[in-house]
Amino acid sequence: DAGVTQSPTHLIKTRGQHVTLRCSPISGHKSVSWYQQVLGQGPQFIFQYYEKEERGRGNFPDRFSARQFPNYSSELNVNALLLGDSALYLCASSVQGGEGYNEQFFGPGTRLTVL
Amino acid sequence: LAKTTQPISMDSYEGQEVNITCSHNNIATNDYITWYQQFPSQGPRFIIQGYKTKVTNEVASLFIPADRKSSTLSLPRVSLSDTAVYYCLVVRQGYSTLTFGKGTMLLVSP
Repeated sequence: DAGVTQSPTHLIKTRGQHVTLRCSPISGHKSVSWYQQVLGQGPQFIFQYYEKEERGRGNFPDRFSARQFPNYSSELNVNALLLGDSALYLCASSVQGGEGYNEQFFGPGTRLTVL
Repeated sequence: LAKTTQPISMDSYEGQEVNITCSHNNIATNDYITWYQQFPSQGPRFIIQGYKTKVTNEVASLFIPADRKSSTLSLPRVSLSDTAVYYCLVVRQGYSTLTFGKGTMLLVSP
């Protein structure tokens, strides 16, 4: 069975540009979450979507946005990129979006470098 | 959510048992303790979760004392492939978002 997939694997952008990262959850999973992991730190929660609706938002600026599509895949958009946005962006899927603990299955991540 | 505190790093040798202790003094009654493992350039992977006493699966054991203010992840007979960062998390019942700390970097040597 395929796990969580993310694209692209690596990405290099310059300051001020915008970027779109994509995630496909495990088949049957309806919830997708996004995390940012800066080198040497643990992942930090950005967004959670369930059934195409935003269920949670972490402490990130409005430059970060996301959406979930009818097939439960998701996009993370970051506008006006800053050097500090360089990180590994992780997508995680789970069966449900918040009733009881649902194990999060993480993808391999997208490595974003902002120059 | 309760803040977690765990050692920054630990060293071990192949074949040894490794115990990583995490403190979570302000854990609430509807919180669970969950451990994830992360290899370099990969996403975290769920290891084990528990509420109280002892939980064991094919990978690890989790010991939680009665006061639940700490927990210990036990990895039996580690191998080189167990070298990774291990995260202790407190997860609120009814929520699925995860709050990660810096984790414990476990280095297993031959």
